Amino acid sequence: QKEVEQNSGPLSVPEGAIASLNCTYSDRGSQSFFWYRQYSGKSPELIMFIYSNGDKEDGRFTAQLNKASQYVSLLIRDSQPSDSATYLCAVGGGGNKLTFGTGTQLKVEL
Amino acid sequence: DVKVTQSSRYLVKRTGEKVFLECVQDMDHENMFWYRQDPGLGLRLIYFSYDVKMKEKGDIPEGYSVSREKKERFSLILESASTNQTSMYLCASSVQGSYEQYFGPGTRLTVT
Repeated sequence: QKEVEQNSGPLSVPEGAIASLNCTYSDRGSQSFFWYRQYSGKSPELIMFIYSNGDKEDGRFTAQLNKASQYVSLLIRDSQPSDSATYLCAVGGGGNKLTFGTGTQLKVEL
Repeated sequence: DVKVTQSSRYLVKRTGEKVFLECVQDMDHENMFWYRQDPGLGLRLIYFSYDVKMKEKGDIPEGYSVSREKKERFSLILESASTNQTSMYLCASSVQGSYEQYFGPGTRLTVT
């Protein structure tokens, strides 16, 4: 059984700070890694993906991947109250299917 | 932009009723997926389809069936709804060969 683990939170950060969200996965054959943002009562929205070891930056978001440690993270710089949401980590390893973590709730406080 | 639509945002059904949830995508995606999302359990895959008339079981197919007669439409069927099927149901689609899935708005189903 492929597993994706996330701390459920809530993770509270002050406005303007860096939020760091972490995810570990069990399947060493995993190839693709995704971060989805989900606001309360809404559906998941794809915000970042990463396929290679290292960092990938997109605006205030940076995804980091370490395949040797089976670890993927999402950094949100200059956190805003509008970033308050649940962040889902998803891992793809075969057959175009994704395995999702249960999500980390982020709260950005004024 | 990819657009995935679902037939209802909220649905209330009685135990034993047959329930149809429909999903339509307008981007010619080959892959379509049905998930349910429950607090503390995350997103769980019910069924998926790689092509018209093709379907494969996901992690929790019991109590559900699916139909894909046209490429853009993927239906989830609850043959006899039960209270433990009360959940948020999410449809997603992706291009063949890609893991990037795009979600519809979801249907919150309550079975009483």
